[in-house]
Amino acid sequence: IAGITQAPTSQILAAGRRMTLRCTQDMRHNAMYWYRQDLGLGLRLIHYSNTAGTTGKGEVPDGYSVSRANTDDFPLTLASAVPSQTSVYFCASSDQASGVGYNEQFFGPGTRLTVL
Amino acid sequence: AQSVTQPDIHITVSEGASLELRCNYSYGATPYLFWYVQSPGQGLQLLLKYFSGDTLVQGIKGFEAEFKRSQSSFNLRKPSVHWSDAAEYFCAVVRYNNNDMRFGAGTRLTVKP
Repeated sequence: IAGITQAPTSQILAAGRRMTLRCTQDMRHNAMYWYRQDLGLGLRLIHYSNTAGTTGKGEVPDGYSVSRANTDDFPLTLASAVPSQTSVYFCASSDQASGVGYNEQFFGPGTRLTVL
Repeated sequence: AQSVTQPDIHITVSEGASLELRCNYSYGATPYLFWYVQSPGQGLQLLLKYFSGDTLVQGIKGFEAEFKRSQSSFNLRKPSVHWSDAAEYFCAVVRYNNNDMRFGAGTRLTVKP
């Protein structure tokens, strides 16, 4: 069982370039999330998706967009990267259908992005 | 909005010593509380969670946490730390049926031989 995979593992990007971070899960979870992790700030939610076809904004959505065409994939796009978007990005998923109210999020290994 | 404070940025303990990592949350209603651990270069792994019921919850790897509503705290404990526990620990809070999980800034644990 792979769980959640993210690609690329790391990337150095010139400012102004467009970049898509990929995230795929094989657990059939309906909810997926993108976080950025910065030293001293912990993880902050960028965007989320409760189910295929729907997305929502998190705490720090500016400069990022997402789409959710199917259950398994949840790509994060930086349309025009800026140095402040240098961070480690984590994708996560959870099964929100089991009626518990809130379930554990499973995290991918992360993508380290440097914008110069 | 809910927020989470982890007062200790870095803690060093000797192997075999007890451990307590502090977490305070700010939220009007009863939150769902979590502790995650992150080993270097890895993603986050859930240690334990509190939704309701018994305020002392047991997790994996011998960790436990106690929810204290009066103190708005959810501190993580382990009676005897192992060298493999060296990692970054994050406390998190979320409202029922709300996808906005808020994390603390993390506490880095170093374990001395």
